[in-house]
Amino acid sequence: KAGVTQTPRYLIKTRGQQVTLSCSPISGHRSVSWYQQTPGQGLQFLFEYFSETQRNKGNFPGRFSGRQFSNSRSEMNVSTLELGDSALYLCASSLAEGLANEKLFFGSGTQLSVL
Amino acid sequence: AQKITQTQPGMFVQEKEAVTLDCTYDTSDQSYGLFWYKQPSSGEMIFLIYQGSYDEQNATEGRYSLNFQKARKSANLVISASQLGDSAMYFCAMRDMNYGGSQGNLIFGKGTKLSVKP
Repeated sequence: KAGVTQTPRYLIKTRGQQVTLSCSPISGHRSVSWYQQTPGQGLQFLFEYFSETQRNKGNFPGRFSGRQFSNSRSEMNVSTLELGDSALYLCASSLAEGLANEKLFFGSGTQLSVL
Repeated sequence: AQKITQTQPGMFVQEKEAVTLDCTYDTSDQSYGLFWYKQPSSGEMIFLIYQGSYDEQNATEGRYSLNFQKARKSANLVISASQLGDSAMYFCAMRDMNYGGSQGNLIFGKGTKLSVKP
């Protein structure tokens, strides 16, 4: 069974540009979550999608958005990039069965550098 | 607010020895789940072990065990018989189970970098 796939692996953008990151969850997983990882702030929750609907959202500005398609694949978009958006963006998927011990399965991430 | 604290930025351990990575958490909720993840240099977060707040026994998964002390709000990870491949970042995380059905939001600590020496 294929794991969580994130593309691209690396991305270099300049300030003011926008970027779209892609995530393909494990087959059968219905929930996709996104996290931002930086050396200073650590891992921070961005948002979660379930059945094409945003179910939960972290404390990030509106420049960060996402969506989920009917096949559970998800994209996140960051508009008007700032230097501080440089980070590793991790996607995680889960079965979303509502179990207490439900694991998140993570991809290898997209390393975004904003110049 | 919920919070996870990992006080050891870096740890060294000799190969084949055991090591304990510390994690304390803060929550006012009675129902929560605690997780440990490993992040090698490749970036992917790998699930290691889970402990529920109502579980009376400490969780174990192979060489990993979780030393759960609820009254102290502590959930330390113990790795027995360390291997060179255990060198990685280790993150403690918590999920609030009263989250209206949302399962995706984990609160992570800052992590501990473990280096295993041959």
